[in-house]
Amino acid sequence: GAVVSQHPSRVICKSGTSVKIECRSLDFQATTMFWYRQFPKQSLMLMATSNEGSKATYEQGVEKDKFLINHASLTLSTLTVTSAHPEDSSFYICSASTGNNYGYTFGSGTRLTVV
Amino acid sequence: SQQGEEDPQALSIQEGENATMNCSYKTSINNLQWYRQNSGRGLVHLILIRSNEREKHSGRLRVTLDTSKKSSSLLITASRAADTASYFCATLFSGGYNKLIFGAGTRLAVHP
Repeated sequence: GAVVSQHPSRVICKSGTSVKIECRSLDFQATTMFWYRQFPKQSLMLMATSNEGSKATYEQGVEKDKFLINHASLTLSTLTVTSAHPEDSSFYICSASTGNNYGYTFGSGTRLTVV
Repeated sequence: SQQGEEDPQALSIQEGENATMNCSYKTSINNLQWYRQNSGRGLVHLILIRSNEREKHSGRLRVTLDTSKKSSSLLITASRAADTASYFCATLFSGGYNKLIFGAGTRLAVHP
């Protein structure tokens, strides 16, 4: 079945630094990838949709200069949290679609802690 | 949540009992999907129901969809302790580009 690998699973960084999270589709080509953010005991909030070879589409209220998304190939999307602050600490999850509107495949998530 | 609400927010039952979770959404959809999330982990796709379907089964899962009421329900029969997790419904926007939006989720606890 479709597998999405997300790395790293956990990261601790200092305030002011940048962190890159990778999301790879291992056995299929992902034309669209989604990035979500999840606070404890809450639902997933869609941050942005990235399409291979084009600019990401950000949801209202998400700072595009803060959360840089790159989808340079059909198997890799990256989310970079720039100049991280403690309030950026959260669980980030990526999801990939082959574009056929069926079930989406999710990565295992990245727990980011900014100290 | 971005799309709608789920109820109950939390559900606690004994093994062997059935668990019913409800989901409401706000916009027109292509399909509605249910996912499961174990604590601190990624999501696992459970079942998808298309907008022209009313009911779907998969093993111990039964999903219904009422597009006139913009609501869906997930029934887990004969629950097991291993079913303990959070369950989310998600809808795929039918307008514009595709994006998957999640409901608030139900935290299910199944006690042995």
